[in-house]
This record gives sequence, C-alpha cells and structure tokens, in this order.
Amino acid sequence: AQSVTQLGSHVSVSEGALVLLRCNYSSSVPPYLFWYVQYPNQGLQLLLKYTTGATLVKGINGFEAEFKKSETSFHLTKPSAHMSDAAEYFCAVNTGFQKLVFGTGTRLLVSP
Amino acid sequence: DAGVIQSPRHEVTEMGQEVTLRCKPISGHNSLFWYRQTMMRGLELLIYFNNNVPIDDSGMPEDRFSAKMPNASFSTLKIQPSEPRDSAVYFCASRVAGVIDTQYFGPGTRLTVL
Repeated sequence: AQSVTQLGSHVSVSEGALVLLRCNYSSSVPPYLFWYVQYPNQGLQLLLKYTTGATLVKGINGFEAEFKKSETSFHLTKPSAHMSDAAEYFCAVNTGFQKLVFGTGTRLLVSP
Repeated sequence: DAGVIQSPRHEVTEMGQEVTLRCKPISGHNSLFWYRQTMMRGLELLIYFNNNVPIDDSGMPEDRFSAKMPNASFSTLKIQPSEPRDSAVYFCASRVAGVIDTQYFGPGTRLTVL
C-alpha cells in the first residue's frame, strides 16, 4: 500500500535560512508525489507535484523538491525562508486509484 | 474563476442534531472528495465520487455519516446524529476524474459538536 512519512511534526528556522522538510514514500506503483501547504484557517493549496520526467520540480513561492527513487524521498526545500512561509506542509502520494494518501504534516515556524 | 465552495464555514451544534455540510466543486471537475482533518488523526479521506457516483466510501467512519452528489455541481455530507467526536474541519476537494492531477481544496467547514 502507498504511504508517506514526514519526519518532524515541527521545523523551526530563522528568516533567511534554508528550509528543508522531509518526506519519504512507499509505493508499489510509480509514484506521483505532491506537496501541499495549509495556511491557518484555510484549505490546502498545491505547492508542487512530480508525475514523470525531470526529478527536480519547482513550485510556487520559491519552493522546490527533488524526487529520488533510490532513497524513496521527495524532500521540500527553499533556499531562504520568509515569515510568510509559516504554515503546515503536507506531502502526499497517489494510490493508483485516484486517491491521495497524505502524510501527517509538518508545521514550519519562521522566526525573525 | 471560483474555486471549490463550501458552506457553512463554521457550524456549532449540539450532540444529537443533524448536520449537513455542502460543497460546490470547480466547474468542469467531475471527481469530488470529502476529507476530515483533526489533530489526532490528521487528514482522512472519507469518500470520493466520480461523475456523481460514489466510488470509495471506505473512509466513512460509521452509518451516522452519509454523502450524496445529486448533480455535477453539488454534494452534501450529512451527519445524523452528530456526536462531540465528530468535531473537526471537513474539506471538500475536486479535480478532473481519470487524471492523476491536482486536487483543489475548498476552505473547509469547521464543525463543533457540543
């Protein structure tokens, strides 16, 4: 069965520092992988996705993620954190049956 | 373009009452998903529809929960009778069926059952 594991329920960084949010997946089919962001009191919004092709995927707001099949990982990075990046981030993998399985989320805290 | 619309945004009710949550998917999307989000269990898929037909309701917690999609532009999630443990944020999402593509989420309904 497909699943994702997000390491760290909370990640704290200083403004301007590198952001690294970790996601490892398990999938019996070629995975399609997604990162969503949820701001307080809002729904989830797509940051980026990997389906096929280039393994380095660029998304909105300066975020990017790299699909590494050998490591079964899809970590999310941003070179320089901004205060507005404070939110909860969810990694997800498709199940092959049109459903997505979401990780438990990582809350990113950005301090001045 | 309007995104996924959910109503109400907030609902407070008493235990035992019936609760109906509503969702209007994005026009042209023919796949609709209902999720529940809680601190304890995270984001759970309750049920999803393709072309107004329920495809997988294995996530519906119990018979108190029911969902319908009478047409392509409207869906409801009903809880009868409601219980305090149903308190959560309920999200609706839509996308184009048959394509492994982005699900677009609504703003959610925050349900509090007293």
